[in-house]
Amino acid sequence: SQELEQSPQSLIVQEGKNLTINCTSSKTLYGLYWYKQKYGEGLIFLMMLQKGGEEKSHEKITAKLDEKKQQSSLHITASQPSHAGIYLCGADRAAMEYGNKLVFGAGTILRVKS
Amino acid sequence: NAGVMQNPRHLVRRRGQEARLRCSPVKGHSHVYWYRQLPEEGLKFMVYLQKENIIDESGMPKERFSAEFPKEGPSILRIQQVVRGDSAAYFCASSPRMTRANTEAFFGQGTRLTVV
Repeated sequence: SQELEQSPQSLIVQEGKNLTINCTSSKTLYGLYWYKQKYGEGLIFLMMLQKGGEEKSHEKITAKLDEKKQQSSLHITASQPSHAGIYLCGADRAAMEYGNKLVFGAGTILRVKS
Repeated sequence: NAGVMQNPRHLVRRRGQEARLRCSPVKGHSHVYWYRQLPEEGLKFMVYLQKENIIDESGMPKERFSAEFPKEGPSILRIQQVVRGDSAAYFCASSPRMTRANTEAFFGQGTRLTVV
């Protein structure tokens, strides 16, 4: 089983609709990262959350880290075809002074229908 | 992707050959991480290096795989005597030599290794 569980595994939405992707851990998260990956390409950094209750937004994408720091959600408002791709959450397990050794979820495949 | 450069982007090797994957981190970053993404699997940590030091290699297969990050030049992930199961996308990430606050890990475009 994955240390980080992402849900759903895949998602097809109509353009213009809102959607939410979840990332759940059974352990405390010291840092939670969201990345987007286009098929066959590299990872694009979206956001990083560290504090319980923290919420960040970038354009139409909002990510939250719950108070207990064990779950994060990524919300996309008014989805567009450009949002299509694989969304990965990554977690920093150790309270290290530096560095980013990340554990990743299996990913959520998002397709946006025009 | 903030400047992490990986090359080659695609690499084809015959079984038994050696594969060398290169990663140049973002300028000023002294921490490098290698990850592997196998088909139908998630991204898995392999090794964490600083200049001239291996900090954590807990994700590296015990045999045939090695990594280095010399004082000068890129980080190298080396796979000896490749087998078909080594076919995967290998990603490199880098982060700055600072505390974790607001520290992003920037990823390169990856090297897609195909073993035939």
